[in-house]
Amino acid sequence: GENVEQHPSTLSVQEGDSAVIKCTYSDSASNYFPWYKQELGKGPQLIIDIRSNVGEKKDQRIAVTLNKTAKHFSLHITETQPEDSAVYFCAASGTSGTYKYIFGTGTRLKVLA
Amino acid sequence: DVKVTQSSRYLVKRTGEKVFLECVQDMDHENMFWYRQDPGLGLRLIYFSYDVKMKEKGDIPEGYSVSREKKERFSLILESASTNQTSMYLCASSFSASRAGDAFFGQGTRLTVV
Repeated sequence: GENVEQHPSTLSVQEGDSAVIKCTYSDSASNYFPWYKQELGKGPQLIIDIRSNVGEKKDQRIAVTLNKTAKHFSLHITETQPEDSAVYFCAASGTSGTYKYIFGTGTRLKVLA
Repeated sequence: DVKVTQSSRYLVKRTGEKVFLECVQDMDHENMFWYRQDPGLGLRLIYFSYDVKMKEKGDIPEGYSVSREKKERFSLILESASTNQTSMYLCASSFSASRAGDAFFGQGTRLTVV
């Protein structure tokens, strides 16, 4: 079945360093890949997304890359700050014609001051 | 400011009770979703709805049902709550899947079944 694997499950970085979270998806028909940030006590919030016709997208300190051949996509956060500490989820759109998002299991990022 | 609002942040219910979780969105979205979130398992889809009165089972529908009588409201029903349904429940909505659009989430309902 459709599956999204996310690594690592936890990640600790020093403030100012970069953080990278990687996801692999199984459904070759997936064409939309959002990333969500979930802060403590809140619902997930979309932070960046990428569509299958694009290889990379940047928004200030965050960027996402997509390798459709390998079915990999990654979130890159540069110059990390303590407020970046949260759980991050990747997702992939389900099989074309459905409305489902398949989520990864999440990465808990801790930025150490 | 777009909003997905879940009626309760915290709920405590007894085993065997019928439980209603309510979700309302103000963005005129066609699609609405119910997920449950458990540590180490991420977000798992329970049910989704792509139109009023339309619904489809997600990955873990057992023990749950849903109702969508109006476009803005999507209810999750636990017919007879059990302790293994203790979890965080998240509602989300998104635009029509003519393009897969981003989903907006509510703040979550933490349900404890005792």
